[in-house]
Amino acid sequence: DQQVKQNSPSLSVQEGRISILNCDYTNSMFDYFLWYKKYPAEGPTFLISISSIKDKNEDGRFTVFLNKSAKHLSLHIVPSQPGDSAVYFCAAEANFGNEKLTFGTGTRLTIIP
Amino acid sequence: EAGVAQSPRYKIIEKRQSVAFWCNPISGHATLYWYQQILGQGPKLLIQFQNNGVVDDSQLPKDRFSAERLKGVDSTLKIQPAKLEDSAVYLCASSLTRGWDEQYFGPGTRLTVT
Repeated sequence: DQQVKQNSPSLSVQEGRISILNCDYTNSMFDYFLWYKKYPAEGPTFLISISSIKDKNEDGRFTVFLNKSAKHLSLHIVPSQPGDSAVYFCAAEANFGNEKLTFGTGTRLTIIP
Repeated sequence: EAGVAQSPRYKIIEKRQSVAFWCNPISGHATLYWYQQILGQGPKLLIQFQNNGVVDDSQLPKDRFSAERLKGVDSTLKIQPAKLEDSAVYLCASSLTRGWDEQYFGPGTRLTVT
């Protein structure tokens, strides 16, 4: 039962262009969403989050959009840089503050110089 | 600030053997998590500690997995006996306290069971 889905296992984007990573969820109890970035041989690192009371959160080159009715969120990276090449995990949490994260399967982003 | 430390980084064992992983969280972090990440999947929470008490172990296979966090600081995760399907990366994470959304992950221990 995959409650958080990232349907694109991989994505390649030209340097300087926009990268859009997508995530869908099925559990309507999820009310907090996070994106983590993972380099090889390292643990995931927190990137950006959004609560269900918002539809957009921005932090520098990273913006997360939430569409609650569609149970869909996306991460936009503009402009994309070579250092952004990594695996990106979407994660969701029910009852904000209980810290039990449910992760998606990840999307491997490759930025082409 | 030192990050979450884990050891060993890699371990290869035969099925039915035992193995133990160690985690030292960021100093002052009260909440500690162990995740299992099977190849091609996202991390799955195995157990969560608040100080030295267990908050959630609903996804821990208790017939073979055990974990402890004595003194509320570092933690060990043990598998006894190991099965082939236990091959995965075991990630430890910590957060300042309950209700703090950002979890800091260690580099993980890659376990291969042959």
